[in-house]
Amino acid sequence: GQQLNQSPQSMFIQEGEDVSMNCTSSSIFNTWLWYKQEPGEGPVLLIALYKAGELTSNGRLTAQFGITRKDSFLNISASIPSDVGIYFCAGDNAGNMLTFGGGTRLMVKP
Amino acid sequence: EPEVTQTPSHQVTQMGQEVILRCVPISNHLYFYWYRQILGQKVEFLVSFYNNEISEKSEIFDDQFSVERPDGSNFTLKIRSTKLEDSAMYFCASSKGQRRGETQYFGPGTRLLVL
Repeated sequence: GQQLNQSPQSMFIQEGEDVSMNCTSSSIFNTWLWYKQEPGEGPVLLIALYKAGELTSNGRLTAQFGITRKDSFLNISASIPSDVGIYFCAGDNAGNMLTFGGGTRLMVKP
Repeated sequence: EPEVTQTPSHQVTQMGQEVILRCVPISNHLYFYWYRQILGQKVEFLVSFYNNEISEKSEIFDDQFSVERPDGSNFTLKIRSTKLEDSAMYFCASSKGQRRGETQYFGPGTRLLVL
């Protein structure tokens, strides 16, 4: 099946730093999604990308849909302690089944 | 803001027992999904459901699993005879449709532990 490779697996940063994480795939996706998961919770949608090359922001978060449709990145600017969690990318083709990356665990030191 | 709810939040069961995990999707959504996440691993798709039938399922969703919409609000996942490797978080999700912009919203999950 389709696989998404997400990197880095984990990051430990200082509050106020910017963060960048990315996702690559060997196959094309028509939609890229970024979710955040906190302990004991389900994934919460952060940003959805629908068009190759699209750059979308949601507050301090910015994500881009790669031109080849095989990759996406998520940036978080000026990180704060509540940004802590696991960030997952997910690809969607048919709208029926999401394929998730392995996640990036973000830890922020106050 | 409407949200997907799931019960129970935690379930412990003996190997070989049947379990039913319950979900109440967002009320105007028409598509329903189950995913699972083994501890420390990524979220994996199990099954999607629309118009009272399964529309897609993964290799994980074998004959031990079944889904049902018993009434107008609930969506259930049944595991007939649980195995140790079924221990995981199970997430229900729903979406209004499957067109662009109609993304899936996830519930808080049920943590299943099979002993």
